[in-house]
Amino acid sequence: DGGITQSPKYLFRKEGQNVTLSCEQNLNHDAMYWYRQDPGQGLRLIYYSQIVNDFQKGDIAEGYSVSREKKESFPLTVTSAQKNPTAFYLCASSTRTGLSNLYEQYFGPGTRLTVT
Amino acid sequence: SQQGEEDPQALSIQEGENATMNCSYKTSINNLQWYRQNSGRGLVHLILIRSNEREKHSGRLRVTLDTSKKSSSLLITASRAADTASYFCATYRSGGSYIPTFGRGTSLIVHP
Repeated sequence: DGGITQSPKYLFRKEGQNVTLSCEQNLNHDAMYWYRQDPGQGLRLIYYSQIVNDFQKGDIAEGYSVSREKKESFPLTVTSAQKNPTAFYLCASSTRTGLSNLYEQYFGPGTRLTVT
Repeated sequence: SQQGEEDPQALSIQEGENATMNCSYKTSINNLQWYRQNSGRGLVHLILIRSNEREKHSGRLRVTLDTSKKSSSLLITASRAADTASYFCATYRSGGSYIPTFGRGTSLIVHP
């Protein structure tokens, strides 16, 4: 089956600890994204990557870091510098079709992070 | 910053009724997409409408786009309890941007 997997589904951490969320896709998509979703809110973009070994900050990158060493993988680290890390984190990927400019996003099931 | 804003924030209807939700945006767009999110899950793409299209259908879904008013609507006809979810619009700015901007969503509850 093609798709995006995120693990774990639920994650609990103590304040002050860094934590890494996994995101893997086998859709052969170039672009990958990380979003944060808070209750009753829309999605806010944390980081995105167009291609391996390249990534860009989104709207709320402070306190987060990413890497893109492989096309299939785009892990997100929530650092202790993130002031309010408890949230639902969604990873997505899309193809880049420059001719059509149509970029449907495929989402993973999400990871709910709780920091106490 | 959020480009698209859905209205209403919440909608509660009976099974069999139609559900209409709206999305307004601020800048010129290349295309607009609607996504669905079941509680605690990832988003699923429903339908895409290009800036040069006015209406599009997919099964029980009907999407309209009015670029002069910078707004779109999603109509779900003959709703079912299984349609209960949050619905988001995502806009892609013109100029080749492949980064979508999502609204806050409309929470739809369909009572059986």
